[in-house]
Amino acid sequence: AQSVTQLDSHVSVSEGTPVLLRCNYSSSYSPSLFWYVQHPNKGLQLLLKYTSAATLVKGINGFEAEFKKSETSFHLTKPSAHMSDAAEYFCVVRYSSASKIIFGSGTRLSIRP
Amino acid sequence: EAGVTQFPSHSVIEKGQTVTLRCDPISGHDNLYWYRRVMGKEIKFLLHFVKESKQDESGMPNNRFLAERTGGTYSTLKVQPAELEDSGVYFCASSPSGTGGRYEQFFGPGTRLTVL
Repeated sequence: AQSVTQLDSHVSVSEGTPVLLRCNYSSSYSPSLFWYVQHPNKGLQLLLKYTSAATLVKGINGFEAEFKKSETSFHLTKPSAHMSDAAEYFCVVRYSSASKIIFGSGTRLSIRP
Repeated sequence: EAGVTQFPSHSVIEKGQTVTLRCDPISGHDNLYWYRRVMGKEIKFLLHFVKESKQDESGMPNNRFLAERTGGTYSTLKVQPAELEDSGVYFCASSPSGTGGRYEQFFGPGTRLTVL
C-alpha cells in the first residue's frame, strides 16, 4: 500500500542547533514529495517540494530536503533552528496518477531556548 | 491574492445535529480537495472536485457526509446527522488545473468541528 512514514512524532532541539525531521515513503515510480508546516491556529504552508528535478530541494526559512531514491527517504533539515520554527511538520507524498495526497502522521518540533 | 478561506473557523454542535462547512478556493483553481484530521490521527483525504464534478470521493467515510461544489466555485461539506467521531479539523485545499500532481495544494486554515 502507498504510505508515508514520519519516524518521530516529536523532536526537540536547542535554538541554533541543526534540525532533522525524518520521512520515508513507500516505493513507487515518480512520486512527488512535499513538506508542509502548520503553526498553531494557522493553515498548512508549503515548505518545499520535490517533483523529479534536483534531488536536493531548498525551501523557505532555510529548510531543505534531499530525495534519496535508494533509501526511499525525504528528510527535512535546517542547519540552525530558530524559535519561530516551533510547529508541526508534515511529509506528504503524491503518486503520479493519483488525485489525492497522502500525509505522514506529523512531527511536532519544539525549540529550547 | 486571497488564499483559501474556510468558514466557520470553529463549530460546536450536539450529536444528531447538522453542520455545513464552507470552503472558498483560490480564484481560478479548478481542483478543490477536502481533508480531515481526527484527534491524534493523520490528515486523511476525503474527496476531490474538478470544477463541479467529483473526481475522487474514495475517502468519504459514510453517507452522512455530503459535499457539493455548485458552479465550480466554493464548496460545502455537510455532515448530517453528526456523530461524536466526526469531531476533528476539516481542511480544504485547492490547486490550479493541469497540475498533473506535480504542484502544491494550497490549504485553508481549517474548520475545527466539535461534536458533543
